[in-house]
Amino acid sequence: GAVVSQHPSRVICKSGTSVKIECRSLDFQATTMFWYRQFPKQSLMLMATSNEGSKATYEQGVEKDKFLINHASLTLSTLTVTSAHPEDSSFYICSASDPNTEAFFGQGTRLTVV
Amino acid sequence: AQKVTQAQTEISVVEKEDVTLDCVYETRDTTYYLFWYKQPPSGELVFLIRRNSFDEQNEISGRYSWNFQKSTSSFNFTITASQVVDSAVYFCALSVVNAGNMLTFGGGTRLMVKP
Repeated sequence: GAVVSQHPSRVICKSGTSVKIECRSLDFQATTMFWYRQFPKQSLMLMATSNEGSKATYEQGVEKDKFLINHASLTLSTLTVTSAHPEDSSFYICSASDPNTEAFFGQGTRLTVV
Repeated sequence: AQKVTQAQTEISVVEKEDVTLDCVYETRDTTYYLFWYKQPPSGELVFLIRRNSFDEQNEISGRYSWNFQKSTSSFNFTITASQVVDSAVYFCALSVVNAGNMLTFGGGTRLMVKP
């Protein structure tokens, strides 16, 4: 299947700093990318949908100014957690698709804010 | 809106037992896809199966089998002769064609297979 690469896989940052997570589709052009968040022992919840070249659509309760999403090319979307706090510690995972394929998931990023 | 329910939060079995993980879904769309994913402790999602709403045939892949019944809106997953390596969290998920490839996940079932 198609490959989606997510980086970094783990990151520890200090409270108040910003963290950028990258999601790349390696062998196809992803017109749409989805960002999910998973708190410990919970399910995956959609945070936002990003379409290449347009603004992301955020789910209810997700602060767009805190979770900045950029989908500037057909192979790359980034999620920036700004002014991170301990409650933002979570597992973040992206998925990517084009109109003709199913969605493929990245490996996920485990964020710990200390 | 879509909804996926996995009523079993945790299941514990002894190796070589068969185990069935239940999944019930809700959607008003007539065209949709159902998925199962495995999430080991490392966190990545391992794709197991995708089934479209027009294909109710049951599927078997090695020790894994899936039973899709539209009449009861269920898509259950059975592992035959379970092994310790099957221990993981399993997620059932749903996507509707009208919403692109966005997935709605169930709450997950943690399967523990003891030796």
